[in-house]
Formats: sequence, structure tokens, C-alpha cells
Amino acid sequence: EAQVTQNPRYLITVTGKKLTVTCSQNMNHEYMSWYRQDPGLGLRQIYYSMNVEVTDKGDVPEGYKVSRKEKRNFPLILESPSPNQTSLYFCASSSRTGSSYNSPLHFGNGTRLTVT
Amino acid sequence: RKEVEQDPGPFNVPEGATVAFNCTYSNSASQSFFWYRQDCRKEPKLLMSVYSSGNEDGRFTAQLNRASQYISLLIRDSKLSDSATYLCVVRGQGGSYIPTFGRGTSLIVHP
Repeated sequence: EAQVTQNPRYLITVTGKKLTVTCSQNMNHEYMSWYRQDPGLGLRQIYYSMNVEVTDKGDVPEGYKVSRKEKRNFPLILESPSPNQTSLYFCASSSRTGSSYNSPLHFGNGTRLTVT
Repeated sequence: RKEVEQDPGPFNVPEGATVAFNCTYSNSASQSFFWYRQDCRKEPKLLMSVYSSGNEDGRFTAQLNRASQYISLLIRDSKLSDSATYLCVVRGQGGSYIPTFGRGTSLIVHP
């Protein structure tokens, strides 16, 4: 089954304790992206990657890191989490082949992170 | 001006009603358009792509108006299960592959 898999689904941690949220897709998609969603603010892009070893900042990159060493994986790293990073996070991917503008985004199930 | 704008609602309609949402976009060079549905605290799911000539999928009809720079979603015969937030997504603004999301329109269908 074609899917984007995020783990964990729920995470409660304390300020300053490094954590990683994993994202993996099995559709051979070139494009992957991380979003956070907060009430009233909609989806905001954190980082994105156009292909392996190519990553770029989105609208709200501060406090986050990513890596794209393999095509299927795009982990989100919080080196020193703070309470303002409490949010619902989504990973998404899409194809860049063919008429790539028409390729829809596929989302993971989300990770609900609470930083105390 | 926000690049992609939606009326946040909520749109509160009875079962069986017809309801329509619009989404305006600012960049006339935008290439592709989508409607997503998002249930509370769950991931957005593709509802339908929006094609230039308009397209229909069951009770759902999507239209694109390039002259006025908006897309629309029409839902006929609303069901309780249609209650959700509907996100408009635009891609290709300014030649960028990065999609731009609207903040969503909330729909509540009541008995």
C-alpha cells in the first residue's frame, strides 16, 4: 500500500531533550516536506526537500533540522525542543516526475508533540 | 495579501443542503489546484484535483476561474459525514513547485 509513515504518533517530552520524528514514504517520491499545524494558523511549512541531499527552509524553520540521505526518509530533528514547538506535525510527499505540478501531496498520519 | 485565502466559516448547513466554498489565489501564474479534506486532528486527504474545465466526483464539483483567480468546491446533498475542514491548495505560484495552503473552511452538517 502506498503510504507516508510517521512515527511516533504521540510524543510528550521535556524542554531541551533532543528528539527525532521519522517520516518514510514508499512511493519513490522526490519531494518531501514537513508541516506544523496550530489552531487558527493552518499548515505552515518547516522544511522541504526536492530530492536526496537537497533540503531548504520553509516558512518556520527555526528550532528544527532535517536530513535527506535517502529518498524514502526525511526525519525531523528538534535539537532542543521548547514549549512553543508543541504542535501537530505532518510529513508529506509527492512526485516530481512527469507533469509534476499536478502531483498531489500525500500526508502521513501526523505526530502530536507536547513539550513541557 | 495572503497568497491563498479561504473563508474560515464555519458553514453550518442541514443534511441534504447544497453548499459551496471559494478559494482565491493571488498569483495568476499558478499551475495546479487541489481540494483536501481534513478531519479534526487528522491528516489532510486529497478530495479532488481541480481541472481547467471543471470536474465532478459524485456529489462534489470543483471549478477553476482563472480570470477571477479563484477555485470553488460545490457539495450537493450534504451528508453528516461531510463535516470537516476543506483546504484549498495551489501549486506553481511564481513558478515554484512548493504548494501553498489556504487555512481551510470549516463545514458542519447537522441533522
